[in-house]
Amino acid sequence: GDSVTQTEGQVALSEEDFLTIHCNYSASGYPALFWYVQYPGEGPQFLFRASRDKEKGSSRGFEATYDKGTTSFHLRKASVQESDSAVYYCALGHDTNAYKVIFGKGTHLHVLP
Amino acid sequence: EAAVTQSPRNKVAVTGGKVTLSCNQTNNHNNMYWYRQDTGHGLRLIHYSYGAGSTEKGDIPDGYKASRPSQENFSLILELATPSQTSVYFCASGDGGFYAEQFFGPGTRLTVL
Repeated sequence: GDSVTQTEGQVALSEEDFLTIHCNYSASGYPALFWYVQYPGEGPQFLFRASRDKEKGSSRGFEATYDKGTTSFHLRKASVQESDSAVYYCALGHDTNAYKVIFGKGTHLHVLP
Repeated sequence: EAAVTQSPRNKVAVTGGKVTLSCNQTNNHNNMYWYRQDTGHGLRLIHYSYGAGSTEKGDIPDGYKASRPSQENFSLILELATPSQTSVYFCASGDGGFYAEQFFGPGTRLTVL
């Protein structure tokens, strides 16, 4: 079945460091790919999505490019801030089940001042 | 105003007791979802609904029931709560199929003693 695999566990960076969180997917065709962010004490919130090969999604300085060749949708940010500390989820939606989204296990980003 | 609300926000229950978690959305979305969030597992889908009167099993439905009496309300019911159901539960709403973003509530922290 469809699945999403992302950088596991925790990532610790200092302010102004470059961020990459890896996300790879397994699915046929062209699934929709998402990134969600969850701040402490809150529910996840949508960051952005992409649904076509080479399409770039972006929001709040974060970006990711849909790459069908490598089945990837890696999250990147050029210069992280302490306020970016959160859990990031990569997710996949597919037309084989229009009601479901499959989430990765989440990556906890800690940004040190 | 928050578009997806959950109640209660915190709940302590005893093993074998009945627990009902409630969710209300003002987005007028057709689809609603219940997830649980556990360290190492990320977000896992328990039940979902694509409209009033419908409920569908997600990936981990055992031990849970769901009820969707109206467009706005979606409940998760634990008839016989067990300690393994201690978790944080999130409700979400969404529309537009596999491409659509989901809007999450703030979560309910459930402890089963």
